[in-house]
Amino acid sequence: DTGVSQDPRHKITKRGQNVTFRCDPISEHNRLYWYRQTLGQGPEFLTYFQNEAQLEKSRLLSDRFSAERPKGSFSTLEIQRTEQGDSAMYLCASSPSGRPYEQYFGPGTRLTVT
Amino acid sequence: KQEVTQIPAALSVPEGENLVLNCSFTDSAIYNLQWFRQDPGKGLTSLLLIQSSQREQTSGRLNASLDKSSGRSTLYIAASQPGDSATYLCAVGGYQKVTFGTGTKLQVIP
Repeated sequence: DTGVSQDPRHKITKRGQNVTFRCDPISEHNRLYWYRQTLGQGPEFLTYFQNEAQLEKSRLLSDRFSAERPKGSFSTLEIQRTEQGDSAMYLCASSPSGRPYEQYFGPGTRLTVT
Repeated sequence: KQEVTQIPAALSVPEGENLVLNCSFTDSAIYNLQWFRQDPGKGLTSLLLIQSSQREQTSGRLNASLDKSSGRSTLYIAASQPGDSATYLCAVGGYQKVTFGTGTKLQVIP
């Protein structure tokens, strides 16, 4: 097992464009989490999935953000009509069944909106 | 709601010095506490994970302690090196969520 992977590692986009990030969790981990980290801050929780069900969304997740986890495997996070304030590091984590407090983090996707 | 505070926000030390980074949290009902390292523009590198039943963990020159009752953890770095320069994040694991502090930015001066 190679751990949680994220793609791309860095994305530069122009304001108003849509972007999509992908996260592949550790195999057999049933929970998957998305976090956002802005400059000078610690990561903040955005949303999480248990299998394919999205169980919680933070108020940080505006209507322009949507996350999916089809078939309970990989997940995608899409941001529509990007704004400069969306520039951040987007981190994904996964945890094994029965141990949601044991989260393993991916390397992150750094988004820059110009 | 869990709140995690890290002090100091920034620290500059000469090479070879021993140092301590502090983390405090408001809700002692935690499952674990983890220390991460983050280099500029990069993701998180896990350094040490302390389960709630443990008091400390050690890895090389790093030692992390946990006092759940007082809501505190410390990360001790022995014989600091310029390569230790990074931001160190404390993350408190609740049952379903991990709450991060804002980090301590460490600079080790050669």
